[in-house]
Amino acid sequence: AQSVSQHNHHVILSEAASLELGCNYSYGGTVNLFWYVQYPGQHLQLLLKYFSGDPLVKGIKGFEAEFIKSKFSFNLRKPSVQWSDTAEYFCAVSTNQAGTALIFGKGTTLSVSS
Amino acid sequence: EAEVAQSPRYKITEKSQAVAFWCDPISGHATLYWYRQILGQGPELLVQFQDESVVDDSQLPKDRFSAERLKGVDSTLKIQPAELGDSAMYLCASSLTGQGLAFFGQGTRLTVV
Repeated sequence: AQSVSQHNHHVILSEAASLELGCNYSYGGTVNLFWYVQYPGQHLQLLLKYFSGDPLVKGIKGFEAEFIKSKFSFNLRKPSVQWSDTAEYFCAVSTNQAGTALIFGKGTTLSVSS
Repeated sequence: EAEVAQSPRYKITEKSQAVAFWCDPISGHATLYWYRQILGQGPELLVQFQDESVVDDSQLPKDRFSAERLKGVDSTLKIQPAELGDSAMYLCASSLTGQGLAFFGQGTRLTVV
């Protein structure tokens, strides 16, 4: 069965620090990869997605992620975090077949202090 | 911006009672998902619909949970009887393509006492 692992449960950073959240998945075939964000009191929102093409994808609010197929990884990065980035971040994967639902990691809570 | 609508936002129920959640997906989205999210965990799929048909309900506890999407638009998820362990956030999501890109509603937070 497919699974998604997020290595960090809780990350605490100061404003302007750089961020990298790890995500690994287990599936040998073609995958679609996603990062979702959940700000306090809000619903899950798509941060960025990868279907094919350039493995470095850019999302909203200055976030980017790199797909490394050989490592089964899709790490999320941001060069300089802001207090408003405080949220929970979920990595998710779906297989490249119609009708396949997202499988989520357990999430990483990011706390940014000003 | 089109959104997935869910109601109620919060529900407190006693164990052994019945409870129901409603979801209205984004117009035109044929694929609808119900997920359950326990505090501190990622969402886990309960059931997936394509139009009015169930595509995947392998993780749905069918002895107490049921889901329907009779006309292929809105959907209802029911629990009967509710158990203490059912306390969680129940999320509905919809997708145009069914290839994972899903848009989520605000969720219903269920507390079973």
